[in-house]
Amino acid sequence: AQSVSQHNHHVILSEAASLELGCNYSYGGTVNLFWYVQYPGQHLQLLLKYFSGDPLVKGIKGFEAEFIKSKFSFNLRKPSVQWSDTAEYFCAVNAKRGSGNTGKLIFGQGTTLQVKP
Amino acid sequence: GAVVSQHPSWVICKSGTSVKIECRSLDFQATTMFWYRQFPKQSLMLMATSNEGSKATYEQGVEKDKFLINHASLTLSTLTVTSAHPEDSSFYICSALDTRASYEQYFGPGTRLTVT
Repeated sequence: AQSVSQHNHHVILSEAASLELGCNYSYGGTVNLFWYVQYPGQHLQLLLKYFSGDPLVKGIKGFEAEFIKSKFSFNLRKPSVQWSDTAEYFCAVNAKRGSGNTGKLIFGQGTTLQVKP
Repeated sequence: GAVVSQHPSWVICKSGTSVKIECRSLDFQATTMFWYRQFPKQSLMLMATSNEGSKATYEQGVEKDKFLINHASLTLSTLTVTSAHPEDSSFYICSALDTRASYEQYFGPGTRLTVT
């Protein structure tokens, strides 16, 4: 069965520190990859996505992620975090099968990021 | 991005009653919507895929008779929690799948259900 694993459950950083959140998935075929953010009391918002092409993807608010196919990974990075980045971060994978795509997403467990001012 | 709304944003009901939650895609037509459940400090668990004009597809372990899903139009899906119990208390989130250009899901703000 497909699964998504986020290694860091709770990360605490000081402002201006660099961030890297790990995400690995288990599926041998073609995938679409996503990172979502959920700010306290708000709904999920898309940070960035990878469908094809350049494996280094840039998203909103200075976030980027790199798809490494050989490692089944899609790690999220930000060079300098801000207090406003405090939120829950979710990695998600949509597995494509042949010409069909149900659109179903499998989510990782989530990572709580706390940025101290 | 596209906008998905949910109504109500929160609801309190008594044990044994039924509650209906609406999910609307406001600026695009969605033949497919998804319903998730999120427990505190946990990830989203996919409950079912709602397909316009056909029966919903439920994930393993989700009771289809308890969580009734209706997708009567291209912009509206409803989730009815029947005979609610306290253990059904949770945060329910819907999303709408945009198939126009990419398979991206847009999420609603969620509905907090508390069963007393």
